Amino acid sequence: GNSVTQMEGPVTLSEEAFLTINCTYTATGYPSLFWYVQYPGEGLQLLLKATKADDKGSNKGFEATYRKETTSFHLEKGSVQVSDSAVYFCAGGSARQLTFGSGTQLTVLP
Amino acid sequence: GAVVSQHPSRVICKSGTSVKIECRSLDFQATTMFWYRQFPKQSLMLMATSNEGSKATYEQGVEKDKFLINHASLTLSTLTVTSAHPEDSSFYICSARDGARGELFFGEGSRLTVL
Repeated sequence: GNSVTQMEGPVTLSEEAFLTINCTYTATGYPSLFWYVQYPGEGLQLLLKATKADDKGSNKGFEATYRKETTSFHLEKGSVQVSDSAVYFCAGGSARQLTFGSGTQLTVLP
Repeated sequence: GAVVSQHPSRVICKSGTSVKIECRSLDFQATTMFWYRQFPKQSLMLMATSNEGSKATYEQGVEKDKFLINHASLTLSTLTVTSAHPEDSSFYICSARDGARGELFFGEGSRLTVL
């Protein structure tokens, strides 16, 4: 079956620092890949996605590139803000069913 | 704005009572909705797939008599936690698949606390 392995947290950064959260996947075929964000007390929101190899998803300064050769979809942001503090989930699959990583708690300090 | 809405967002109930959580797709019809459970600091666990007009498909280990799912219309699925116990306390999240956009949209989640 499919599995998604995500860098464990928590991650604490200072404002304007560079962020990387690693995500790798195991699947039969080439699933679509997603990053979801969960702000405190809220549900999940789709942050970005990529549907095929070499696609780059981007949103709100976050980026992730679908790397087939390394089966990875690492999340990056060049300069984080306090408002980026949240839990980030990597996920793979299709709209029919997604497999989620365990989530990474990010705290950005002013 | 939100395209999938859950209600209630928070509910506190006594042990032994039943609680119903609603999941509505606001601007599209959803033939399939999904119910997840999230434990503190953990990922989402898929509980069941809700299909409009037919019985839900439950994941292994999820008690179908405990977690009743009804998908009576193309815009509404409900999850009823029957005879709730403190161990049922959790964050429950639904998602709905928009076939036209090919995307999965998530509700805001419902936090259940069983005393």
